[in-house]
Amino acid sequence: DQQVKQNSPSLSVQEGRISILNCDYTNSMFDYFLWYKKYPAEGPTFLISISSIKDKNEDGRFTVFLNKSAKHLSLHIVPSQPGDSAVYFCAAIPIYNQGGKLIFGQGTELSVKP
Amino acid sequence: DAGVIQSPRHEVTEMGQEVTLRCKPISGHNSLFWYRQTMMRGLELLIYFNNNVPIDDSGMPEDRFSAKMPNASFSTLKIQPSEPRDSAVYFCASELTGGSSGNTIYFGEGSWLTVV
Repeated sequence: DQQVKQNSPSLSVQEGRISILNCDYTNSMFDYFLWYKKYPAEGPTFLISISSIKDKNEDGRFTVFLNKSAKHLSLHIVPSQPGDSAVYFCAAIPIYNQGGKLIFGQGTELSVKP
Repeated sequence: DAGVIQSPRHEVTEMGQEVTLRCKPISGHNSLFWYRQTMMRGLELLIYFNNNVPIDDSGMPEDRFSAKMPNASFSTLKIQPSEPRDSAVYFCASELTGGSSGNTIYFGEGSWLTVV
């Protein structure tokens, strides 16, 4: 039973345009969300996060939006660059969590074409 | 500043053999996680330790899988006997739970396991 879902396994975007990666979750007890980026043959690295008390968090070209009523979050990358090509994982942590037990989605592979 | 260190990076083994994956977390981190990445399910949490104690092993798929953390700087994930469906990338990650970095966990580069 997948509590965090990334329904698009892949996304292709032109360089300079906006990339929008989506993530849905089912557990209303999740209160902290993160995005991780993973290059081939490397471990995932932290990208950006958002607490459930916010609806937007911005860091440079990366913005995460949270819609709690829809149980939906999205990662916007603008402008997209070829170096952004990677697999992006959405992750969530429940409010009762006593450690960094992240629940991950399946990942979306982003390809940014020059 | 060394990150999470995993070994081996790649392993090819025959079905039925024992496989041991090793992990050295970031020094000072008090939580350690083992994840498995597959195409179908993405990153699945297998088990996590806090202060060397297993807290949640509900993600461990079968009795063939076991994990230990004998001290704060070392953990192993063992599969015995291994099966072809165990082929995946296994990631170890660590975190300073309660630290100023919030809920950011740091991953190793993964151990690529192929069971033939």
